[in-house]
Amino acid sequence: AAGVIQSPRHLIKEKRETATLKCYPIPRHDTVYWYQQGPGQDPQFLISFYEKMQSDKGSIPDRFSAQQFSDYHSELNMSSLELGDSALYFCASSLNLGQETQYFGPGTRLLVL
Amino acid sequence: GENVEQHPSTLSVQEGDSAVIKCTYSDSASNYFPWYKQELGKGPQLIIDIRSNVGEKKDQRIAVTLNKTAKHFSLHITETQPEDSAVYFCAASPSGTYKYIFGTGTRLKVLA
Repeated sequence: AAGVIQSPRHLIKEKRETATLKCYPIPRHDTVYWYQQGPGQDPQFLISFYEKMQSDKGSIPDRFSAQQFSDYHSELNMSSLELGDSALYFCASSLNLGQETQYFGPGTRLLVL
Repeated sequence: GENVEQHPSTLSVQEGDSAVIKCTYSDSASNYFPWYKQELGKGPQLIIDIRSNVGEKKDQRIAVTLNKTAKHFSLHITETQPEDSAVYFCAASPSGTYKYIFGTGTRLKVLA
């Protein structure tokens, strides 16, 4: 079965640079969620989108922005990167906003030097 | 807001034994509780979930119980196998939102 696709899988950036992470949800899923997972920590919710509109917002820094496109894929844009942004970034998708079950992608490992 | 506590943080069991992981949540309005298994370098994989109108759910060697009054839910794995070794996360989905609040994770090690 098709799963959530994330790209790139690994990314190395310097401080103050920008990064763009992409997420392609499971086919027919119209809701995407972004989570950040620090080393040895649990995933922390950042933001979610349903039908291209932001549906919920968590602890996402102002330096980050995200959007969902007409084909339901989503991009997380991160600017002025800091060392503390080094983490695993997961995207998850669900069938629709009312469907609770979220299916996670393999993640993007971001390292900020 | 919702807060989820998870215990224990690490758990070692002998192959074939059972493993139990417990979580408590603070928001009585939370109505959906999934459990995820995360292997090293991979994304969390859903293994079982339970909704607030159900007290117990079982899927082969895995079961989840929910006590709404006490606001806690537990994951039970029977006949553990080495491939069950991973980090397990519980989560709660507060009513009116669609995000998950995760527990802090349990590193399960099944000793052969």
